[in-house]
Amino acid sequence: DAGVIQSPRHEVTEMGQEVTLRCKPISGHNSLFWYRQTMMRGLELLIYFNNNVPIDDSGMPEDRFSAKMPNASFSTLKIQPSEPRDSAVYFCASSLAGVEKLFFGSGTQLSVL
Amino acid sequence: AQRVTQPEKLLSVFKGAPVELKCNYSYSGSPELFWYVQYSRQRLQLLLRHISRESIKGFTADLNKGETSFHLKKPFAQEEDSAMYYCAGAGANNLFFGTGTRLTVIP
Repeated sequence: DAGVIQSPRHEVTEMGQEVTLRCKPISGHNSLFWYRQTMMRGLELLIYFNNNVPIDDSGMPEDRFSAKMPNASFSTLKIQPSEPRDSAVYFCASSLAGVEKLFFGSGTQLSVL
Repeated sequence: AQRVTQPEKLLSVFKGAPVELKCNYSYSGSPELFWYVQYSRQRLQLLLRHISRESIKGFTADLNKGETSFHLKKPFAQEEDSAMYYCAGAGANNLFFGTGTRLTVIP
């Protein structure tokens, strides 16, 4: 298994543009998490899904952020419109059951100019 | 609110010296705590969890309920231990992280 797969690895965009980050969890895992990593705040949980259903999105910073999980093998995190302060590394993680062990993707380095 | 706090953003030690990465927690109910590590150019990965009471790569972490701490310790640091370390706590179906400590082991 290739593990959790995220795309793109790097994204550079201009302020105001729409950004879509993608994640493919490990097959069979039923929980999926989106985190944002910054120097100042470390790892922040944005949203998590259980069996494709969003359980808690209280970490989503603003209405500009949205996340979907249309099926068990795919999730997206969208920022529209993007702003320079959204620049960060966005991680997706999945787990088989609860939070006993999370498997992280390689992350997407987002730069909004 | 449940949270974990890592007071040190940066920590440098010499090779062979003991290392302690601090983590304090604020928890309702029984705490369930973990340490995750991110080596350079690698994915964030689980290092150890307190319920297992295990030693991984020479690291141990003991839950101290009196001090509400879960410090990560290793008696003799190695250069390959240089990495970003995150303390984490389990909430209701989610995992919340501290801000991380970057450990540098000086040769």
